[in-house]
Amino acid sequence: AQSVTQLGSHVSVSEGALVLLRCNYSSSVPPYLFWYVQYPNQGLQLLLKYTSAATLVKGINGFEAEFKKSETSFHLTKPSAHMSDAAEYFCAASSNDYKLSFGAGTTVTVRA
Amino acid sequence: GAVVSQHPSWVICKSGTSVKIECRSLDFQATTMFWYRQFPKQSLMLMATSNEGSKATYEQGVEKDKFLINHASLTLSTLTVTSAHPEDSSFYICSARDTRDRSLFTDTQYFGPGTRLTVL
Repeated sequence: AQSVTQLGSHVSVSEGALVLLRCNYSSSVPPYLFWYVQYPNQGLQLLLKYTSAATLVKGINGFEAEFKKSETSFHLTKPSAHMSDAAEYFCAASSNDYKLSFGAGTTVTVRA
Repeated sequence: GAVVSQHPSWVICKSGTSVKIECRSLDFQATTMFWYRQFPKQSLMLMATSNEGSKATYEQGVEKDKFLINHASLTLSTLTVTSAHPEDSSFYICSARDTRDRSLFTDTQYFGPGTRLTVL
């Protein structure tokens, strides 16, 4: 089974500042990797997905993530934070059985 | 799109009763659906994999007789929490695997909005 570690349970950024959320996975074989966002009392919305086609993955809402095999990382970034980006973010990984293993989540708050 | 719905969105029940939660893929067929449980301020924990036309596969530590899963059609999976107790109170989320070729998100899981279960 995949293991996913998200560094930092809480990130606070100013509006307009860079958003950086860290995710590391443990696997000898690069898995499928995902970033999801969850707003309060809602399900998860897919931001982006890595499938080995390209190391830099662009997603929705201006987010992107870079897969670095040497660092077993898949960090999520957004150049300029917006108030609407305040939410819980989950990194997830799966192997060929499609079962998702989630990180603990990172709460993002955006300061005006 | 790829929309997954859940019903009900919230339910309150008495201890000892059973509660059924429905998960539907609205605009695609899903041979595989997944059920997750999420405690407050925590991550999602996979409970079981639901395959259309066959028995569900449960994760270690999940009681299959407690959490009954039925995947009767390509667009519907149900989770029944039998003889619910207060410790079963949680946020239950389903996802459905969309295998259509959709360029950016080919073969991806889409999540329902979740069901908040409170057992008194």
